[in-house]
Amino acid sequence: GNSVTQMEGPVTLSEEAFLTINCTYTATGYPSLFWYVQYPGEGLQLLLKATKADDKGSNKGFEATYRKETTSFHLEKGSVQVSDSAVYFCAGRRNNRLAFGKGNQVVVIP
Amino acid sequence: NAGVTQTPKFQVLKTGQSMTLQCAQDMNHNSMYWYRQDPGMGLRLIYYSASEGTTDKGEVPNGYNVSRLNKREFSLRLESAAPSQTSVYFCASSEWGLAAEQYFGPGTRLTVT
Repeated sequence: GNSVTQMEGPVTLSEEAFLTINCTYTATGYPSLFWYVQYPGEGLQLLLKATKADDKGSNKGFEATYRKETTSFHLEKGSVQVSDSAVYFCAGRRNNRLAFGKGNQVVVIP
Repeated sequence: NAGVTQTPKFQVLKTGQSMTLQCAQDMNHNSMYWYRQDPGMGLRLIYYSASEGTTDKGEVPNGYNVSRLNKREFSLRLESAAPSQTSVYFCASSEWGLAAEQYFGPGTRLTVT
Protein backbone atom coordinates (compact mmCIF):
# COMPACT_ATOMS: atom_id res chain seq x y z
CA GLY A 1 0.00 0.00 0.00
CA ASN A 2 0.86 3.66 0.06
CA SER A 3 0.27 5.78 3.13
CA VAL A 4 1.55 9.08 4.39
CA THR A 5 1.64 10.18 8.02
CA GLN A 6 1.98 13.73 9.27
CA MET A 7 2.68 14.87 12.79
CA GLU A 8 -0.44 15.50 14.85
CA GLY A 9 -1.92 18.86 15.68
CA PRO A 10 -1.75 22.49 14.58
CA VAL A 11 1.47 24.45 14.67
CA THR A 12 1.52 27.97 16.09
CA LEU A 13 4.67 30.03 15.94
CA SER A 14 5.92 33.61 15.83
CA GLU A 15 7.01 35.45 12.73
CA GLU A 16 10.64 34.70 11.76
CA ALA A 17 10.62 31.41 13.70
CA PHE A 18 11.87 28.13 12.20
CA LEU A 19 9.16 25.78 10.94
CA THR A 20 9.35 22.00 10.69
CA ILE A 21 6.46 19.72 9.78
CA ASN A 22 7.19 16.01 9.88
CA CYS A 23 6.05 13.58 7.23
CA THR A 24 6.82 9.87 6.89
CA TYR A 25 5.63 7.44 4.28
CA THR A 26 5.23 3.74 3.71
CA ALA A 27 5.03 2.35 0.22
CA THR A 28 5.71 -0.70 -1.83
CA GLY A 29 8.36 0.74 -4.08
CA TYR A 30 9.28 4.35 -3.60
CA PRO A 31 6.73 7.00 -4.50
CA SER A 32 7.15 10.55 -5.60
CA LEU A 33 6.58 12.89 -2.66
CA PHE A 34 4.86 16.24 -2.56
CA TRP A 35 3.97 19.07 -0.22
CA TYR A 36 0.77 20.93 -1.00
CA VAL A 37 -0.46 24.13 0.67
CA GLN A 38 -4.06 25.24 1.15
CA TYR A 39 -4.80 28.87 1.93
CA PRO A 40 -8.14 29.71 3.54
CA GLY A 41 -11.10 29.20 1.23
CA GLU A 42 -8.98 27.84 -1.62
CA GLY A 43 -8.04 24.54 -3.21
CA LEU A 44 -4.67 22.90 -2.76
CA GLN A 45 -1.65 24.04 -4.71
CA LEU A 46 1.70 22.38 -5.12
CA LEU A 47 4.45 23.78 -2.90
CA LEU A 48 7.32 21.44 -3.79
CA LYS A 49 8.09 17.88 -4.82
CA ALA A 50 10.83 15.22 -5.03
CA THR A 51 10.88 12.13 -7.20
CA LYS A 52 13.79 10.06 -5.90
CA ALA A 53 15.94 9.48 -2.85
CA ASP A 54 18.13 12.42 -1.80
CA ASP A 55 16.22 14.84 -4.04
CA LYS A 56 15.53 18.18 -2.39
CA GLY A 57 12.43 20.11 -3.36
CA SER A 58 12.35 23.84 -2.67
CA ASN A 59 10.04 26.77 -3.27
CA LYS A 60 9.24 30.11 -1.56
CA GLY A 61 11.88 29.44 1.12
CA PHE A 62 10.45 26.01 1.96
CA GLU A 63 12.56 22.87 1.57
CA ALA A 64 12.07 19.13 1.94
CA THR A 65 14.50 16.27 1.28
CA TYR A 66 13.38 12.80 0.21
CA ARG A 67 15.18 10.55 2.72
CA LYS A 68 14.97 6.87 1.88
CA GLU A 69 16.79 5.67 4.99
CA THR A 70 14.23 7.26 7.32
CA THR A 71 11.27 7.16 4.86
CA SER A 72 10.73 10.84 5.54
CA PHE A 73 10.01 14.07 3.70
CA HIS A 74 9.95 16.75 6.40
CA LEU A 75 9.05 20.30 5.42
CA GLU A 76 11.22 23.16 6.73
CA LYS A 77 11.38 26.92 6.45
CA GLY A 78 13.99 29.01 8.17
CA SER A 79 11.98 32.19 8.84
CA VAL A 80 8.20 32.11 8.52
CA GLN A 81 5.96 35.05 7.69
CA VAL A 82 2.34 35.74 8.58
CA SER A 83 1.50 35.02 4.94
CA ASP A 84 2.68 31.40 5.44
CA SER A 85 -0.38 30.72 7.62
CA ALA A 86 -2.16 27.88 5.84
CA VAL A 87 -2.76 24.14 5.97
CA TYR A 88 0.10 21.97 4.69
CA PHE A 89 -0.39 18.48 3.28
CA CYS A 90 2.23 15.85 2.58
CA ALA A 91 1.38 13.41 -0.22
CA GLY A 92 2.89 10.37 -1.90
CA ARG A 93 2.19 9.35 -5.48
CA ARG A 94 2.17 5.86 -6.88
CA ASN A 95 0.21 4.34 -9.76
CA ASN A 96 -1.30 7.67 -10.81
CA ARG A 97 -2.89 8.25 -7.41
CA LEU A 98 -1.98 10.48 -4.49
CA ALA A 99 -2.26 9.49 -0.83
CA PHE A 100 -2.49 12.51 1.47
CA GLY A 101 -1.56 13.00 5.07
CA LYS A 102 -4.17 14.59 7.32
CA GLY A 103 -2.65 18.05 7.07
CA ASN A 104 -1.22 20.51 9.57
CA GLN A 105 -2.69 23.91 10.25
CA VAL A 106 0.13 26.45 10.59
CA VAL A 107 -0.63 29.77 12.27
CA VAL A 108 2.07 32.44 12.26
CA ILE A 109 1.62 35.22 14.80
CA PRO A 110 3.07 38.68 14.11
CA ASN B 1 -6.53 29.50 -19.04
CA ALA B 2 -8.91 28.84 -16.12
CA GLY B 3 -7.28 25.62 -14.88
CA VAL B 4 -9.79 23.48 -12.96
CA THR B 5 -13.25 24.91 -12.43
CA GLN B 6 -16.02 23.55 -10.21
CA THR B 7 -19.69 24.38 -9.90
CA PRO B 8 -21.47 25.15 -7.69
CA LYS B 9 -19.33 26.79 -5.00
CA PHE B 10 -21.89 26.19 -2.26
CA GLN B 11 -24.91 23.91 -1.98
CA VAL B 12 -27.40 22.96 0.72
CA LEU B 13 -29.41 19.78 0.25
CA LYS B 14 -32.03 17.99 2.27
CA THR B 15 -31.51 14.32 3.10
CA GLY B 16 -32.56 12.18 0.14
CA GLN B 17 -32.15 14.86 -2.51
CA SER B 18 -29.84 14.31 -5.46
CA MET B 19 -27.36 16.58 -7.16
CA THR B 20 -24.42 16.61 -9.53
CA LEU B 21 -21.16 18.45 -8.94
CA GLN B 22 -19.52 19.62 -12.12
CA CYS B 23 -15.80 19.81 -12.85
CA ALA B 24 -13.94 20.90 -15.97
CA GLN B 25 -10.27 21.39 -16.82
CA ASP B 26 -8.71 23.17 -19.77
CA MET B 27 -5.16 21.81 -19.46
CA ASN B 28 -5.72 18.77 -21.69
CA HIS B 29 -4.95 16.44 -18.79
CA ASN B 30 -5.68 12.75 -19.08
CA SER B 31 -6.48 12.05 -15.43
CA MET B 32 -9.13 13.57 -13.20
CA TYR B 33 -10.05 13.02 -9.54
CA TRP B 34 -12.73 13.71 -6.97
CA TYR B 35 -11.80 14.13 -3.29
CA ARG B 36 -13.65 15.02 -0.16
CA GLN B 37 -12.08 17.00 2.66
CA ASP B 38 -13.30 16.63 6.23
CA PRO B 39 -11.81 18.15 9.40
CA GLY B 40 -8.97 16.02 10.75
CA MET B 41 -9.22 13.56 7.84
CA GLY B 42 -7.17 15.20 5.14
CA LEU B 43 -8.27 14.52 1.57
CA ARG B 44 -9.81 11.20 0.68
CA LEU B 45 -10.17 9.99 -2.87
CA ILE B 46 -13.75 9.22 -3.92
CA TYR B 47 -13.33 8.27 -7.59
CA TYR B 48 -10.82 8.92 -10.29
CA SER B 49 -10.57 8.64 -14.04
CA ALA B 50 -7.14 7.73 -15.37
CA SER B 51 -8.14 8.58 -18.91
CA GLU B 52 -11.21 9.41 -20.95
CA GLY B 53 -13.61 6.47 -20.89
CA THR B 54 -12.38 4.94 -17.63
CA THR B 55 -13.36 5.43 -14.01
CA ASP B 56 -12.25 3.67 -10.84
CA LYS B 57 -13.23 3.68 -7.19
CA GLY B 58 -11.04 5.39 -4.67
CA GLU B 59 -10.97 5.15 -0.91
CA VAL B 60 -14.56 6.27 -0.14
CA PRO B 61 -16.84 5.63 -3.17
CA ASN B 62 -20.05 4.57 -1.39
CA GLY B 63 -22.99 6.88 -2.08
CA TYR B 64 -21.38 8.48 -5.15
CA ASN B 65 -21.27 7.93 -8.89
CA VAL B 66 -19.12 9.62 -11.51
CA SER B 67 -19.18 10.27 -15.22
CA ARG B 68 -16.20 11.17 -17.39
CA LEU B 69 -18.21 13.03 -19.98
CA ASN B 70 -15.23 13.81 -22.22
CA LYS B 71 -11.57 14.63 -21.70
CA ARG B 72 -12.40 17.99 -20.11
CA GLU B 73 -15.29 17.13 -17.79
CA PHE B 74 -15.71 14.80 -14.82
CA SER B 75 -18.91 14.98 -12.77
CA LEU B 76 -19.75 13.59 -9.34
CA ARG B 77 -23.32 12.59 -8.53
CA LEU B 78 -24.99 12.07 -5.17
CA GLU B 79 -28.14 10.05 -5.83
CA SER B 80 -29.62 10.28 -2.33
CA ALA B 81 -27.73 12.71 -0.14
CA ALA B 82 -27.03 11.88 3.51
CA PRO B 83 -25.77 14.12 6.33
CA SER B 84 -22.52 12.09 6.31
CA GLN B 85 -21.84 13.55 2.87
CA THR B 86 -21.57 17.06 4.28
CA SER B 87 -18.07 18.00 3.22
CA VAL B 88 -15.92 20.11 0.93
CA TYR B 89 -15.44 18.44 -2.44
CA PHE B 90 -12.41 19.04 -4.62
CA CYS B 91 -11.84 18.08 -8.20
CA ALA B 92 -8.30 17.73 -9.53
CA SER B 93 -6.56 16.86 -12.78
CA SER B 94 -3.11 15.77 -13.81
CA GLU B 95 -1.02 14.40 -16.60
CA TRP B 96 0.44 10.91 -16.50
CA GLY B 97 3.84 10.45 -14.88
CA LEU B 98 5.23 9.71 -11.46
CA ALA B 99 6.17 13.31 -10.81
CA ALA B 100 3.09 14.86 -12.37
CA GLU B 101 1.45 17.52 -10.24
CA GLN B 102 -2.27 17.45 -9.51
CA TYR B 103 -4.08 20.74 -10.08
CA PHE B 104 -7.03 21.43 -7.83
CA GLY B 105 -10.26 23.32 -8.29
CA PRO B 106 -11.53 25.82 -5.69
CA GLY B 107 -13.93 23.33 -4.10
CA THR B 108 -17.65 22.90 -3.49
CA ARG B 109 -18.92 23.24 0.07
CA LEU B 110 -21.88 20.90 0.46
CA THR B 111 -24.19 20.76 3.48
CA VAL B 112 -26.81 18.03 3.82
CA THR B 113 -29.46 18.67 6.46
